[in-house]
This record gives sequence, C-alpha cells and structure tokens, in this order.
Amino acid sequence: RKEVEQDPGPFNVPEGATVAFNCTYSNSASQSFFWYRQDCRKEPKLLMSVYSSGNEDGRFTAQLNRASQYISLLIRDSKLSDSATYLCVVSTGGFKTIFGAGTRLFVKA
Amino acid sequence: EAQVTQNPRYLITVTGKKLTVTCSQNMNHEYMSWYRQDPGLGLRQIYYSMNVEVTDKGDVPEGYKVSRKEKRNFPLILESPSPNQTSLYFCATGTGGSEKLFFGSGTQLSVL
Repeated sequence: RKEVEQDPGPFNVPEGATVAFNCTYSNSASQSFFWYRQDCRKEPKLLMSVYSSGNEDGRFTAQLNRASQYISLLIRDSKLSDSATYLCVVSTGGFKTIFGAGTRLFVKA
Repeated sequence: EAQVTQNPRYLITVTGKKLTVTCSQNMNHEYMSWYRQDPGLGLRQIYYSMNVEVTDKGDVPEGYKVSRKEKRNFPLILESPSPNQTSLYFCATGTGGSEKLFFGSGTQLSVL
C-alpha cells in the first residue's frame, strides 16, 4: 500500500463547477499536510497547508480528518486556470515528506 | 528575487557517462532535497540535506550521490547513469521541517 494515495483522475469538469479531491495516508504519526499544484512538467508549487480545523483560501477549502487519515481539497467555481495536477503531501515531521502521485483536473469552457 | 536555480533544464546522455545536475538557492534555507518524478509514482525523495556537510538518504538513493559543501549549493551526481534513471528531477529547498518547499524548474534527464 502506498503511503499517500490519491485518485489519479482525470477529473473533467465544466467551468463554474465544484470539484473535490481526497487523499488518504497510512502513517498515523503524520504531522503536517499540504496540497501542491503542478502544471504539466513544471515544478510543484504550494497551494495551501491543511489544518485540523479546516482552512479556506478564496475558492479553495482544505480539510483534515485524522481519525480516518484523509485530507480533502474542495475547489468552488472552477476556472480554466485551475486545470493542473494536485499533489497531496504528508510530512511526518523532521524532513520526511511523502508526495501522492497526484490528481489531474481538466476544467472545460 | 528568491530563487531555486537548477541546471540543465534538459539533458540527454549515454549509459555510464558521469553527470552532475546543479542546484543553487539564494533563500538562505538550511534544508535542501532532490526528488525524481516518474509517471504514476509521484515525487520520490532521493537525498536531502539539513545543513552544510549533513546529508541523508531518501527513499530512492541508489545510483546517486550528493554533496553539501556550501549552504546555497546541493548538486546531484550520477556516477554511472543507467536508463532506469531517466526521469524528471526536482531540487527543493525549505525552512526547518520542510513545512513549505520551493522547487527548482526541473531537469528532464534521458539516459540512452
């Protein structure tokens, strides 16, 4: 079993749609959680950190469920520019960071 | 401007010919790391460094070497590249605990 698992997609949604991604992790000692965005063949960039209380940044909402060991990312009012691969990232603290393989999103006009 | 500079962007080489991919950062970060990215596998950590002269193996260190003689530089060395090292490589830096990572623009390596 992979340490961090994501549905690879692709998710194909129309502009304006709401889309949600989930990610599960296997190490219950994981301490920090993030979502990164990666455009095709380019470097990943931090989208947002994920906190236990849930957090929101504009159209993006991230949530963490420690009991079930999953994190989620919700994108509201999807834009064409949201088309990318979304990487779930889990850290056990220190310098050990595990990346999921990513979920591909295509937003269509 | 804060930057992580990785070179070269593209590299085609032959089996067994030693190569070095350079990574340099101007953000004064202590933590630096190398990843490779392959389809369906996500980013996998090769080596990381918590500070000058301190390096540790990640998940896939076989066939790679690194050095950290200065804070800003963290080169990745392939002493004898093989075709299974064909991949997209990223260098990253971060503050303590890898809370937020800043990535270089990547190096697409092809080993023939």
